[in-house]
Amino acid sequence: SQELEQSPQSLIVQEGKNLTINCTSSKTLYGLYWYKQKYGEGLIFLMMLQKGGEEKSHEKITAKLDEKKQQSSLHITASQPSHAGIYLCGADTSYGKLTFGQGTILTVHP
Amino acid sequence: DTAVSQTPKYLVTQMGNDKSIKCEQNLGHDTMYWYKQDSKKFLKIMFSYNNKELIINETVPNRFSPKSPDKAHLNLHINSLELGDSAVYFCASSQGYSLNTIYFGEGSWLTVV
Repeated sequence: SQELEQSPQSLIVQEGKNLTINCTSSKTLYGLYWYKQKYGEGLIFLMMLQKGGEEKSHEKITAKLDEKKQQSSLHITASQPSHAGIYLCGADTSYGKLTFGQGTILTVHP
Repeated sequence: DTAVSQTPKYLVTQMGNDKSIKCEQNLGHDTMYWYKQDSKKFLKIMFSYNNKELIINETVPNRFSPKSPDKAHLNLHINSLELGDSAVYFCASSQGYSLNTIYFGEGSWLTVV
């Protein structure tokens, strides 16, 4: 079965700093999803990547998919306290089944 | 209007009780899911239904029984609750198996004491 490993597991940054979260898959990635979960709230869809080399941006968040490395990275530029939360990557396996990484807890200090 | 709504949002109950979490989606989707997020924030699929038919049934104790009365609803019933069942349960829906259409509910926080 496909496994996703996220790194780091937790991250504490000062407001204004840039940061990167990585998601590495044990198998070929066909569809990679990034979600954000705010404390006490549900999952918010950020973006989906399907093709190798694909890069997408949403406000100050950029995600890339490296098919060869079976990896995706999520980059936040000039982080803000509103970026704090848990970031989850998910991979499309079969029959609509999403397999998730263990999540990265991001704390942004003002 | 909330696309995928779950009730209750918070539930505290004693060991041994039976409880249900309800999920409804108003997106016209034909596939619905239940995911469990444990204390370590690991999110795993439990069940999925497509047109009221069970498609995915992961290794879940049979104390957990999903019920889909129609395409817009997927309820989760849990018998004989145990401490380890404490988690956040997320309902989701999609059109077919297209995960780019998947929407998640806000989660139901279950605490078993």
